[in-house]
This record gives sequence, structure tokens and C-alpha cells, in this order.
Amino acid sequence: ETGVTQTPRHLVMGMTNKKSLKCEQHLGHNAMYWYKQSAKKPLELMFVYSLEERVENNSVPSRFSPECPNSSHLFLHLHTLQPEDSALYLCASSQDRSGDTQYFGPGTRLTVL
Amino acid sequence: ILNVEQGPQSLHVQEGDSTNFTCSFPSSNFYALHWYRWETAKSPEALFVMTLNGDEKKKGRISATLNTKEGYSYLYIKGSQPEDSATYLCAFDNYGQNFVFGPGTRLSVLP
Repeated sequence: ETGVTQTPRHLVMGMTNKKSLKCEQHLGHNAMYWYKQSAKKPLELMFVYSLEERVENNSVPSRFSPECPNSSHLFLHLHTLQPEDSALYLCASSQDRSGDTQYFGPGTRLTVL
Repeated sequence: ILNVEQGPQSLHVQEGDSTNFTCSFPSSNFYALHWYRWETAKSPEALFVMTLNGDEKKKGRISATLNTKEGYSYLYIKGSQPEDSATYLCAFDNYGQNFVFGPGTRLSVLP
């Protein structure tokens, strides 16, 4: 158990649906991250939050909307996704942003029909 | 755009064999190099954080070396076991900014 949990583990949604991915960390960390892994591609950083403030948005389309209500929780709100958005979405946390080891959740496998 | 490469892409070895694979990364703006082990349907698990040129780290049968001047790191597994089967990721830590991950090496250890 890494201390980072993600729900749901699997999600199937249509292109017109709105859904949210949830991440929770029980490690007392100050930084949280969303990553995307598409088939046969490396992990790609999407968003970074440090002390609940978004500090990085890696050119991610606006159909992905992150929210960090407190330092333990991170959400990724999804709306009007495309089939090419089907991927594994991983959440991670670290003590602080600068150079600390990142601890990952198990991911949400998203399929967009 | 920073490029982190890993080789080989996949590897099949027999139980008891020793093996190694590489991670190459930019030699400028180096802060740290992270190794992760990622089993299917589980969370990536941190193995090592390497920061100094010439670093060698060891955890049981797994060890890693670091050469920041030429921009590479090796991961070694001695006496591979089936439970070592996983994807091994390296991540280049860009001067304390963001991690840039390599594509991973998928290791299968056959009993």
C-alpha cells in the first residue's frame, strides 16, 4: 500500500458524459500530480499542484479540469472527452515539489467510447 | 524537449540469470535520477533516488549506478526471480522541476 489511492480503478464513459477521477494521499505531502499514460508512450505529466495551488499545466486540453480542494485530495474532472483520451491516469504525491520522490497511486484505466 | 531513453524495450530472462538495462538522459541541468518498478495493475514503486555522479545504490538483489557526466544509469538485477517481472522506469529530475520519464524496460523472468 503506497498511501496514495485512486478511484475508480476503471471507468468507461461516452464522449458526452461528465465524470471525475479522485485521488487521495495519506502521506502528509504538499505536492500532487496527474500523469497520463497512453499505450506505448512514456508517462506524461499533466498537472502539478503545490500547497493546493496549480503550478504547472502541461498544455492539457480544457476538457480536463483539475481541482485540489486540500493537500490530501486531487480530482480530475472530465467532460466531452475523445476516444484518444482513453489511457491510464496516474496520480502521485511528494513531500514538496522540488526533487522529492513521487509516490504513485494504482491509476484509473479510462475508456472513452 | 527533454529526451529520456531506456533500453532494451523488453527483456526475457530465465530464473537465476542476472540482467541489466540502461537509462540515458540529458547531462545538463541534472538534479536527480529516479528508478521505479511497476508491476501490472499496481502502483509504480520507488526503487532508488540517485543524485551524485558515481553513485551506486543497492536494495537486495537490485542495484543501480549513475554517470551524470555522460548521462546514463544502469539498473542491475542479480539472480532474477519471477517476482522481478515488471516494467522498470527511470525518471530524470530536471533541476528540481518536473520528472521526465523514460518509456520503461519490460522484464519477464521465466521460471
